[in-house]
Amino acid sequence: DTGVSQDPRHKITKRGQNVTFRCDPISEHNRLYWYRQTLGQGPEFLTYFQNEAQLEKSRLLSNRFSAERPKGSFSTLEIQRTEQGDSAMYLCASSSLWSKEAGALTGELFFGEGSRLTVL
Amino acid sequence: QKEVEQNSGPLSVPEGAIASLNCTYSDRVSQSFFWYRQYSGKSPELIMSIYSNGDKEDGRFTAQLNKASQYVSLLIRDSQPSDSATYLCAPGGATNKLIFGTGTLLAVQP
Repeated sequence: DTGVSQDPRHKITKRGQNVTFRCDPISEHNRLYWYRQTLGQGPEFLTYFQNEAQLEKSRLLSNRFSAERPKGSFSTLEIQRTEQGDSAMYLCASSSLWSKEAGALTGELFFGEGSRLTVL
Repeated sequence: QKEVEQNSGPLSVPEGAIASLNCTYSDRVSQSFFWYRQYSGKSPELIMSIYSNGDKEDGRFTAQLNKASQYVSLLIRDSQPSDSATYLCAPGGATNKLIFGTGTLLAVQP
């Protein structure tokens, strides 16, 4: 399977615990994105990397959230001291900088299956 | 004003009819536009991309873009029950990320 893979698919934790999600992007993609989605809402941007550099973080993102992409390949998203409001689907997506069709920077994102977090 | 606005629906159409999904966006520098389909409990799946004003057809799907009006739409011809899903609109621009609307829930009635 050459798509985006995420692990774990489901995580149930107690409030106050730390959790970590992993994302393996499509191998030739140099951009990697994290989104969060709650019921009835569209995906909400959290952060993105170009290779190993974290280029943007959402201003809404609590300092309890941290993401890394140490070698420009897989990425991890850690949530410290989880709260019930953190319960959501955490989506990882990857993209390449260029599209043959557009001939320019585009933004086609390809999503993984997501990691569903439930905080009790 | 929200960055991306979509009617949340549900939009209910009979099988075989044309479903029309609309989206407006506020970022005038957006240059690429994407439609994603999301089945309940699943992740978004890219179904259409459009970069230029006008229409782009792919099978039963047609995307329409009007940058002057900051409007993009998706038409689904010969709607099937398997098309029942939430459709997410996502403009892309200078910000190097996609901002998603809340999505329109489409229900195709057999």
